[in-house]
Amino acid sequence: QDQLQESGPGLVKPSQTLSLTCTVSGDSISNGAYYWSWIRQPAGKGLEWIGRISPTGSTKYNPSLKSRVTISVETSKNQFSLKLSSVTAADTAVYYCARGRMVTSFFDYWGQGTLVTVSS
Amino acid sequence: DIQMTQSPSTLSASVGDRVTITCRASQTINNWLAWYQQKPGKAPKVLIYKASSLEYGVPSRFSGSGSGTEFTLTISSLEPDDIATYYCQHYNNFLYSFGQGTKLEIK
Repeated sequence: QDQLQESGPGLVKPSQTLSLTCTVSGDSISNGAYYWSWIRQPAGKGLEWIGRISPTGSTKYNPSLKSRVTISVETSKNQFSLKLSSVTAADTAVYYCARGRMVTSFFDYWGQGTLVTVSS
Repeated sequence: DIQMTQSPSTLSASVGDRVTITCRASQTINNWLAWYQQKPGKAPKVLIYKASSLEYGVPSRFSGSGSGTEFTLTISSLEPDDIATYYCQHYNNFLYSFGQGTKLEIK
């Protein structure tokens, strides 16, 4: 059974870059059956998909965030990472990493989430 | 882009009630539609995938149906543990999108 764990700073200053890492345990991130995604949720609001990466490093991003997002994978560490540049208060949210099944296109395992606050 | 609209936004029901939540797409979509349950402070948990397939371990009182532009999540007999916010999620053209959520409360 996979487990996902987000890590990274909980406080980021405006205009800086938000950086988070998701560590996967229980399965290899190189397993070709899954995509690896980042999803966020502002307090009291709904879920927003940020982007995903395949084990081979192929990425897709939410068009609304595409200009600011980079997702990368480090298979040797069984990790994937998120970078979101030029952050503002609107980027304050709980950030989740999640495993997505390639064939049936839904998220079956999620991290517990990590709150990132953008504030000076 | 395909927009997913859930209704209602908030639903109040009694224990034992049959509950239905609807997710409408802005255009005809394939059946790559999933439903999630989220409790406060927790990550979402998948209930239904591919519109009507029950995820392993999810109680059978949950079911999904629909096609085209309209999909539904039904709870056949509401239990207190079902109090949560429910989201639909669609996958199309390499992109994922979520509905805005339906908050289910006990009457």
